[in-house]
Amino acid sequence: AQSVTQPDIHITVSEGASLELRCNYSYGATPYLFWYVQSPGQGLQLLLKYFSGDTLVQGIKGFEAEFKRSQSSFNLRKPSVHWSDAAEYFCAVVQGAQKLVFGQGTRLTINP
Amino acid sequence: DSGVTQTPKHLITATGQRVTLRCSPRSGDLSVYWYQQSLDQGLQFLIQYYNGEERAKGNILERFSAQQFPDLHSELNLSSLELGDSALYFCASSVGARETQYFGPGTRLLVL
Repeated sequence: AQSVTQPDIHITVSEGASLELRCNYSYGATPYLFWYVQSPGQGLQLLLKYFSGDTLVQGIKGFEAEFKRSQSSFNLRKPSVHWSDAAEYFCAVVQGAQKLVFGQGTRLTINP
Repeated sequence: DSGVTQTPKHLITATGQRVTLRCSPRSGDLSVYWYQQSLDQGLQFLIQYYNGEERAKGNILERFSAQQFPDLHSELNLSSLELGDSALYFCASSVGARETQYFGPGTRLLVL
């Protein structure tokens, strides 16, 4: 079965610093990969997705992610974080034709 | 705003009771998914419906059931509630299988 691992439970960065959130997946074929963000008390908002094609995908809010098949990774990056980026970030892969399998999430704290 | 609506936003009930959570998908989406988010289990897929028919089941308890109506809205019924059922329940919708899932704001259930 497919699985997703987010190795970092909690990351703290300073406002204006760059950010990279790690995601590793386990999947036999080409995966459909997603990053979602959850602000406190809110639902899940789609940041970006990878289905095929260009391995560097751009998302909303200045985020990007790079699919690396050789490393089974789909890391999320942002060159300069803002205080409003503080949230929990989830990486996910589609399993079969239906469900999303989520990682454990990475909670991002921004220092002023 | 994803276009997916869920009611109610919050629900407080007692053990042994039964509740119904409601979800309206985005206009044009035929697939509805239900997920449970809890501190110990993370985000877990419960069940999927496509155009009124059940398509996939995850770790959904026998005490839980769902349905999708002809107007495509869906209801998740939770019965004989236990303390451990306290969680955030999300509904998501997509156009079809392996398409991007858009999440509603969730229903926060507290069982006392």
